[in-house]
Amino acid sequence: GENVEQHPSTLSVQEGDSAVIKCTYSDSASNYFPWYKQELGKGPQLIIDIRSNVGEKKDQRIAVTLNKTAKHFSLHITETQPEDSAVYFCAARAPGTYKYIFGTGTRLKVLA
Amino acid sequence: KAGVTQTPRYLIKTRGQQVTLSCSPISGHRSVSWYQQTPGQGLQFLFEYFSETQRNKGNFPGRFSGRQFSNSRSEMNVSTLELGDSALYLCASGPGGNTEAFFGQGTRLTVV
Repeated sequence: GENVEQHPSTLSVQEGDSAVIKCTYSDSASNYFPWYKQELGKGPQLIIDIRSNVGEKKDQRIAVTLNKTAKHFSLHITETQPEDSAVYFCAARAPGTYKYIFGTGTRLKVLA
Repeated sequence: KAGVTQTPRYLIKTRGQQVTLSCSPISGHRSVSWYQQTPGQGLQFLFEYFSETQRNKGNFPGRFSGRQFSNSRSEMNVSTLELGDSALYLCASGPGGNTEAFFGQGTRLTVV
């Protein structure tokens, strides 16, 4: 069935370092790949997304890359700050639906 | 523009009871989808509604049901509550098409 694997489950980095989170999806029909940040007691917040016709997208310190052939996509956060500490989820979605298949989440800790 | 609003924020119910959760989407959004979030299973898709029609359904028992009204507001109902139904229930809305979805803060349901 549809599945999204996410690694690592936890990640600790020093402030100012980079963080990379990787996801692999199984459904070849997926064409939209968002990343959500969830802070304690809050709902997931969309931070960046990428569509299947694009290989890379960047927004300030955050970038996402997509390899359709390998069914891999990754989140890159540069110059990490303590406020980046949260749980990050990747997701995949097929066309014509809002049914997301989520990864299992990565708890990112940025150490000051 | 107001975000996705979920009510109530917190709920405590007893085993065997039923519960109804409410979701008001962002103005103009016609799609509402529901997710269950637990520490063990992560974020799992429950169902999706678009213009009052259920468009997709996840792998949950029939005790979980939902509906969408003509004003796009949605409700989900869980009957005969079990301890394992304790979770954060999240609602997301989107305008339709190949666009992003936005999540509410969630309803934290505790079954005792």
